[in-house]
Amino acid sequence: GAGVSQTPSNKVTEKGKYVELRCDPISGHTALYWYRQSLGQGPEFLIYFQGTGAADDSGLPNDRFFAVRPEGSVSTLKIQRTERGDSAVYLCASSDAPGYRGNTEAFFGQGTRLTVV
Amino acid sequence: DAKTTQPNSMESNEEEPVHLPCNHSTISGTDYIHWYRQLPSQGPEYVIHGLTSNVNNRMASLAIAEDRKSSTLILHRATLRDAAVYYCILRGPIQGAQKLVFGQGTRLTINP
Repeated sequence: GAGVSQTPSNKVTEKGKYVELRCDPISGHTALYWYRQSLGQGPEFLIYFQGTGAADDSGLPNDRFFAVRPEGSVSTLKIQRTERGDSAVYLCASSDAPGYRGNTEAFFGQGTRLTVV
Repeated sequence: DAKTTQPNSMESNEEEPVHLPCNHSTISGTDYIHWYRQLPSQGPEYVIHGLTSNVNNRMASLAIAEDRKSSTLILHRATLRDAAVYYCILRGPIQGAQKLVFGQGTRLTINP
C-alpha cells in the first residue's frame, strides 16, 4: 500500500521567501509528526498532531515555523522568511494510533530537502 | 525525555551477526524500547520494539536486560543492505512522550 508521501522532494528557495512543505500520511493514521534533519545529525522533533490539533509543538524553533492539519489527514509545514539555517531535510511520519501507549510504529516519508540560498 | 546512549559507530563483516548496544538507565516502567534505522538518503525505518521480554521479527531480535537499563539489537546475519544509522529510542504513554526523540545513533558499516 501507499506509504507516507512528501512533496516536493527537493525545494530550493531564496532567503526571505515563504515555503510550504506537504505531507500525505498513510490513510487512516491519526497521528502525524514533523521532524527536521541536518547533515550528520539525527532527526529533530518539530511538531506532533493528533487528528486536527497540534498535541505537541514544543519543537518548533521559532514563530517563523507553523504547521496545520485542517482535516486530520494531509499536513502542511509552513516556513516564513526563510533563513539559510533552515536548510535541512524535513521528514514527516504517521502512525495509526494516538501514541498514548508507547508501542506504536511510526512510518516515515522520504523527506523534503530544503535548500535556502 | 528519557535518554539513550549508543556508540557512535560500529563495523562488522557481511554474513556475521551484529550486536548493537543501547544504554537507557533512566527508563521508566512504562517506556517501550524502539529501534529505527536510517539508510542513506531515506527516512527512518522501524525495526523492532519491546517492553520487557525479548522480541524477534523478520528483521532483527531485541534482547532487553532484566533491569531494562540496557538493550541490544541483534542482526543475525548482516548484509550490505544493513549498513545504516541505527537509533535506539524510548517511547512511553506519558503526556508529551508520544514523540520519538532521536539521538545520534550508531553508524553501522558492513564490510564485504
